[in-house]
Amino acid sequence: EPEVTQTPSHQVTQMGQEVILRCVPISNHLYFYWYRQILGQKVEFLVSFYNNEISEKSEIFDDQFSVERPDGSNFTLKIRSTKLEDSAMYFCASCRDEGYNEQFFGPGTRLTVL
Amino acid sequence: GNSVTQMEGPVTLSEEAFLTINCTYTATGYPSLFWYVQYPGEGLQLLLKATKADDKGSNKGFEATYRKETTSFHLEKGSVQVSDSAVYFCALSVMNSGYSTLTFGKGTMLLVSP
Repeated sequence: EPEVTQTPSHQVTQMGQEVILRCVPISNHLYFYWYRQILGQKVEFLVSFYNNEISEKSEIFDDQFSVERPDGSNFTLKIRSTKLEDSAMYFCASCRDEGYNEQFFGPGTRLTVL
Repeated sequence: GNSVTQMEGPVTLSEEAFLTINCTYTATGYPSLFWYVQYPGEGLQLLLKATKADDKGSNKGFEATYRKETTSFHLEKGSVQVSDSAVYFCALSVMNSGYSTLTFGKGTMLLVSP
């Protein structure tokens, strides 16, 4: 069964460093998302992406964040200068159609900023 | 805005006990409602969903009914198993200018002992 994959599973970085989190969505899906979950808190929406552009973003998704679909299969989240409060589990999701169809989630990348 | 409130965990049950995890929501617009499950070390998986009032979503013995009058979507299972131990997330999605994102509750951990 097709699945969303994410790499790495765990990333440790120093404050101020740039990190890139990678996701491979399901191949025939058209809508892509990033969510994050700070330890002990709720899963929060960051950004959605369709047709090679951001379709919606939350207040969390400030200028330090960017997303890209560089080669038609990968979907990346870049954090330009990491802060301690960026430590969280980051989930990628993809969806075949918009609306009420299921979003398929990857296993997540745990980002630890020291 | 949109928000989801679900009962605090952990919920600790013995095998074959009855499970209820409460979920209530507020939404601008007419939401679709979801329950996602996260098994240890894995990503979020859709457990069930309901897209309109009085719909009942069901899967793997779990059920939830979309109650518009009480803005609730409580998760129930008649007889839990040890393998049901996981974190359960209630979520909603509302179409907004053609795009929808998921708003999650904080999650409820379920621990089932033999």
